[in-house]
Amino acid sequence: GQNIDQPTEMTATEGAIVQINCTYQTSGFNGLFWYQQHAGEAPTFLSYNVLDGLEEKGRFSSFLSRSKGYSYLLLKELQMKDSASYLCALLSNDYKLSFGAGTTVTVRA
Amino acid sequence: DAGITQSPRHKVTETGTPVTLRCHQTENHRYMYWYRQDPGHGLRLIHYSYGVKDTDKGEVSDGYSVSRSKTEDFLLTLESATSSQTSVYFCAISEHGTERGVSYGYTFGSGTRLTVV
Repeated sequence: GQNIDQPTEMTATEGAIVQINCTYQTSGFNGLFWYQQHAGEAPTFLSYNVLDGLEEKGRFSSFLSRSKGYSYLLLKELQMKDSASYLCALLSNDYKLSFGAGTTVTVRA
Repeated sequence: DAGITQSPRHKVTETGTPVTLRCHQTENHRYMYWYRQDPGHGLRLIHYSYGVKDTDKGEVSDGYSVSRSKTEDFLLTLESATSSQTSVYFCAISEHGTERGVSYGYTFGSGTRLTVV
C-alpha cells in the first residue's frame, strides 16, 4: 500500500504564505493530487503533478520530487476562505486514488 | 461542473438492515469510486468500477458490495448495516488519458451521511 503522511493542523495569518508538506512511500504511482475540502462539503480538485517540479495555478502551487518521496502545496496571500482541509493523494498505476488523512488549515485575521 | 449526484443525502438506519446508496453521473466517465470518510482516517476506498459490470475491491471493502449495470449508475450496498459503518460516503467519477499519464482528476459527489443506530 501507500503510506501518505501530512501534518494534522496548521495555522497562519491572513495574507501570509503556508506550505503543507506531504511525504509518501510507494513503489510507483501515476501522479500526485492535492484537493481542498471545506467542512461538510465534498473535496474539490486543486492541482496535479505528474513530473518533478512546480505547478502553479494562481495563488496555489504544488511541487513534486519523486526521488525524495515528497510533495508540498503552497498557498500564497492567504484569505479567510482558505480555511479548510487539504488532502494529498496518490494516483496508482491502476487509477486508484489513495489519500492522506488531510491537513486542517486555519487562517486567522 | 461535472454531473454527479448521490442519493440519499442523509440516512438513519438500524443495525442489521440492508442499505443501498446510489451514485449517478451524466458525464459518461468510465471510472467510478466509493469512498468513506471518517475523522482521523481521511478518505478510504471501498470499491471501484472501471466499466459496466467491472468492479474491484478497495482497502475497506468488508461488509460492502457494489453493482454497476449501466455506465451512469454505481450502487453501494451494505448487506447488514453495523454501527462501524456510520460514516460519510462519497462517490467519485474520473476519466484517465494516456498522454504522459495524464489524469483528468476525480470529481466528487456531495456525499451521503449515513448513521447506523
